[in-house]
Formats: sequence, C-alpha cells, structure tokens
Amino acid sequence: EAGVVQSPRYKIIEKKQPVAFWCNPISGHNTLYWYLQNLGQGPELLIRYENEEAVDDSQLPKDRFSAERLKGVDSTLKIQPAELGDSAVYLCASSSGLAGATQYFGPGTRLLVL
Amino acid sequence: GQSLEQPSEVTAVEGAIVQINCTYQTSGFYGLSWYQQHDGGAPTFLSYNGLDGLEETGRFSSFLSRSDSYGYLLLQELQMKDSASYFCAVLYGGATNKLIFGTGTLLAVQP
Repeated sequence: EAGVVQSPRYKIIEKKQPVAFWCNPISGHNTLYWYLQNLGQGPELLIRYENEEAVDDSQLPKDRFSAERLKGVDSTLKIQPAELGDSAVYLCASSSGLAGATQYFGPGTRLLVL
Repeated sequence: GQSLEQPSEVTAVEGAIVQINCTYQTSGFYGLSWYQQHDGGAPTFLSYNGLDGLEETGRFSSFLSRSDSYGYLLLQELQMKDSASYFCAVLYGGATNKLIFGTGTLLAVQP
C-alpha cells in the first residue's frame, strides 16, 4: 500500500512570494490533515478535511493560508504571501473513518523563506 | 488550554530499557497516542491507549493513567535504530477528532 505522498520535499522562496504544497493521501482515507511542525516541536494542526469538507480550520491563518481538497482526494495548501516566520515543515496526514488516533503522515515539505 | 509535557532529551544504551513520560493538563480526551519521528522523517504511529492501563506492542509498551494525568512509553531491548524523537498526543474525538501533540522527547541510543 502506498503511503501519503507530498511534494515538493523542499522549497526555498523569498518572502512575499506565494507557495503551494500538494498531498495525496492513502487510498480510501477520507480524513486528511495538514500540520505545521517547527524545529524541535510537535506537529500543530492547521486544517482537517472529512472528504471534501473542511471541518476544522480554526488554527489556519486565513489571511495568508488557504487549502482545498477537490473531489475529496488530493489536497493543496497555499501560502500567499509567505513570511519569514512561515519557515517550517508542512506535514500532511490521513486516517480512515473515526480512527483519528492512528494517522499516517507523509514525509513533509520543508519550507525556507528568505 | 491543553498542555502536554515531555522530557526534552533522554539517553540510554543499546539493549537497555527506557521510559519516556508524558504529563498533561487537559481533560475530556478519548485517549493518548505515541508517535516516533526520525530526523527528517515522517511521524509514525506507535501505540494508542484508549483506556487506562498498559498496551504492549512488541518491544514497545504504552501506559495511561487518567487519574494521575500521566502516561509513558516504554521501549525495551533498545536498538540504535530507536534513536529518534517520540511524541505523545491526546486525541479529542467526536466532531473534533484531532490530535494535540506534546513537545517531543529526543532519544539517543548509545552503543
């Protein structure tokens, strides 16, 4: 079974530029999560999707971050414009049904904003 | 608010047993999960305690005591490949169904 796929793995951009991250969850997983992980910290939830519906986006900075999950499969997270403080690893995870305790993470996108 | 505390670093030798503690100040959660993350890698699910007590999965065991607001991950027969960060995370269920992660513990296994 293929795991969660994310791209790109690394991204370097200048501040004020836009950036987008892509995630393909495990086949059949209806729940998809985007997390932010700063160095030396645990992952912090940005947004959770149940199929194509964003059911928890309370931690998403909506002035500059947006996300979508068209057709309830792949998802894209966008930042526009990026700020220096956005430098972090952006992780995507998926889970099946209500099994939120067991989430399968992708390798993440390491973002550096200069 | 929710707060989970873990020791920042733990060092142990190969073949030994190590316990990583997780104390929390929160309530109303469904259970406690543990994840392993190697440097530069993805967090990987290890164990989940929905009920108080001990859960055993091979060399790894996890424990939860809601009355003591405390849990731990026990790693036995340590191997070099166990060197990684370990995160506890509380699960809030129902409509929320979200994990709140702790600060993580960096385990260094020495030969």
